[in-house]
Amino acid sequence: GAGVSQTPSNKVTEKGKYVELRCDPISGHTALYWYRQSLGQGPEFLIYFQGTGAADDSGLPNDRFFAVRPEGSVSTLKIQRTERGDSAMYLCASSKDQKGYNEQFFGPGTRLTVL
Amino acid sequence: AQTVTQSQPEMSVQEAETVTLSCTYDTSENNYYLFWYKQPPSRQMILVIRQEAYKQQNATENRFSVNFQKAAKSFSLKISDSQLGDTAMYFCASVYSGAGSYQLTFGKGTKLSVIP
Repeated sequence: GAGVSQTPSNKVTEKGKYVELRCDPISGHTALYWYRQSLGQGPEFLIYFQGTGAADDSGLPNDRFFAVRPEGSVSTLKIQRTERGDSAMYLCASSKDQKGYNEQFFGPGTRLTVL
Repeated sequence: AQTVTQSQPEMSVQEAETVTLSCTYDTSENNYYLFWYKQPPSRQMILVIRQEAYKQQNATENRFSVNFQKAAKSFSLKISDSQLGDTAMYFCASVYSGAGSYQLTFGKGTKLSVIP
C-alpha cells in the first residue's frame, strides 16, 4: 500500500506570504503528527491529531502556525506571515492509533524556504 | 519533559565491521518507549528498532541490536556486518506512553558513513 505522502516536496516563498503544506497519511491511520526539522537537528514536534481533533498542539511555535484535519485523513499545516526562521523541512507522520509503542511512518517531507 | 542526547555527530565504519551509536535520555516517567530511526540521504525516515522500557531483554532486529541500560538511561544501537546501505542519519527517540500526546522526542542525530 501507499505510504505517507506530502505535497509539495519543495516550497519557496517570500517573507510575509501564506503557505499550506499537505499530508496524506496511510489509509486507516487515526494518529497524525507534524514535526519540523531544521538543518543539522532532529525533528521537533509541532502538533498531533487523533482523528479530526488536534489532541496536542503544544509544539506549535506561535499563532502564525495552524493545522487542520477536517475529515480525519488528510491534514494541512498552514503558516501565515512566513518568516525566514520558518525555513525547515516539515515532516508528517502517521500511526495506526495513539498507542506509544506504535511505529510512526514518516512522509518524505516538504522543504520550506522563506526568502 | 523528556530529552534525548546523541553525543556523536558523525561516525564512520568499514563495510562488514561493527559500529555502536550512543544515546542517553532523561525522563521522569516510568512507562516509555525508545526507538532508533534511520534517515537515508534524501529519503524518508524509517524505523530501525524499538524497545519497551519495562522489558529487560534487549531488542534485536537482524543486524541491529540495542543495549538498553535503564538505570543509566542509556540506549545504544549496535550495527553488525555494516553495509553500504546503512549510510544514513540515525536518530534516537523516546515517547511517553501515558495519557495524552505520543509525540516522539528526538536527539540531534548521528551521521553514519559506511566505507567500502
